[in-house]
Parts: sequence; structure tokens; C-alpha cells
Amino acid sequence: GAVVSQHPSWVICKSGTSVKIECRSLDFQATTMFWYRQFPKQSLMLMATSNEGSKATYEQGVEKDKFLINHASLTLSTLTVTSAHPEDSSFYICSASSGSDLGTDTQYFGPGTRLTVL
Amino acid sequence: KQEVTQIPAALSVPEGENLVLNCSFTDSAIYNLQWFRQDPGKGLTSLLLIQSSQREQTSGRLNASLDKSSGRSTLYIAASQPGDSATYLCAVTRGALSRLTFGEGTQLTVNP
Repeated sequence: GAVVSQHPSWVICKSGTSVKIECRSLDFQATTMFWYRQFPKQSLMLMATSNEGSKATYEQGVEKDKFLINHASLTLSTLTVTSAHPEDSSFYICSASSGSDLGTDTQYFGPGTRLTVL
Repeated sequence: KQEVTQIPAALSVPEGENLVLNCSFTDSAIYNLQWFRQDPGKGLTSLLLIQSSQREQTSGRLNASLDKSSGRSTLYIAASQPGDSATYLCAVTRGALSRLTFGEGTQLTVNP
């Protein structure tokens, strides 16, 4: 099956610094990538949808200037958390879709990145 | 706005028991529904995907059904094992390449 990787798997940073998280589709071209956030004991909430070569579409309540998303190629999307604060501490998960997997448009999920802001 | 609810929030059963997890959604205009498994601190593993035109899907000891008109899906796990312990999430999507809307999950514990 299709594989999606994320790097790093976990990161600890100081308040006020920026952190970049990478999401890669390893064996397929991802026309669309999604970024989700999951707080402890809660479900996944979509933050933004990105299509290769175009600006990301953010969900209501998600600050686009704080969570910068770049989908520069068909295999890589990055999420940069700028000026991180402790309340940004969460589990960030990306998913990728080629839009052509037997017509099911299946989203393949990465393993997630645990961000802790001190 | 689509809302997805999963019942129960947590479930503890002895090994070998058959069990059913429930998922309901408020907007029946879905494209497909997926069941995922999530182990603590890990990403998601897709278990079963049911297209809106389908009634059920099976994979090994897992069987998922979909009743789109009533906005319900069930995940049936036969002969549960301790290795089945995880959080099970259901999610629906409205269209091709559309966002997934997740339920809050059912945390399953299977006791040896």
C-alpha cells in the first residue's frame, strides 16, 4: 500500500521558536495533502487542505499566518508552526491522496508528529 | 455541518468476545465512510472503507456495515484479541478528495 512518512516523529521546542514538520508520500504522487491536529483524548480536527502548487485552504479558526503550509511538490508538504506557544502542543498528522487509487480517493495517513512547546 | 458520534466512548471486554462499535453521522450525503485504528501515540491505520453505494465491507475478523439513510455504521469485531486493543475512529467524507470528518473514537480494551 501507499506509504506516507512524517519528520520528525517528535519535537520539543522553546516558546517563541518555529518548528517545521515534513510530510512525504514515498511511493505515489499526492495531489492533495491534509493536515490534522489531535489534542489528548480528542479526535482529529482538520487544519488545512493543500494542493500541489497552490495556496492551502485553512479551516475556520486556524490562523494561516501561524501555521504555514507549503506543498511545493507532488511528494512533499511542510507545516511550519511559527512562534510556537505551549497551547500549540499537540499531535500533528498529515494525510495524502493521489485522487486516483481505484477511484476511492483514499487518504493515506502519516505516523504523526508529537510537538511539545515548553 | 457534519457531526460524527461514536458510542461507546470506551469499552472493555474479555478476550474472545464478539463486539460492536457504533458510529452515527448527521448528514447522510456522504461519499464514503472509513474505520481506522489508532494505537497510543501513533498515526492511523485504515481498516475498512465503505463507499456510499455499498452496504458492508469485510476484512478478516472485521465487518463494517453502512446504512446511509439512517446515518449509521457499525464495526463488528469477531473473537476479539488483546492485540485489538486500540482506539477505533470512524470518519466520513462528503466527496472526492474532500476532508474527513472524524468521530471522537471508541477506546477498546481486550483483556486476556
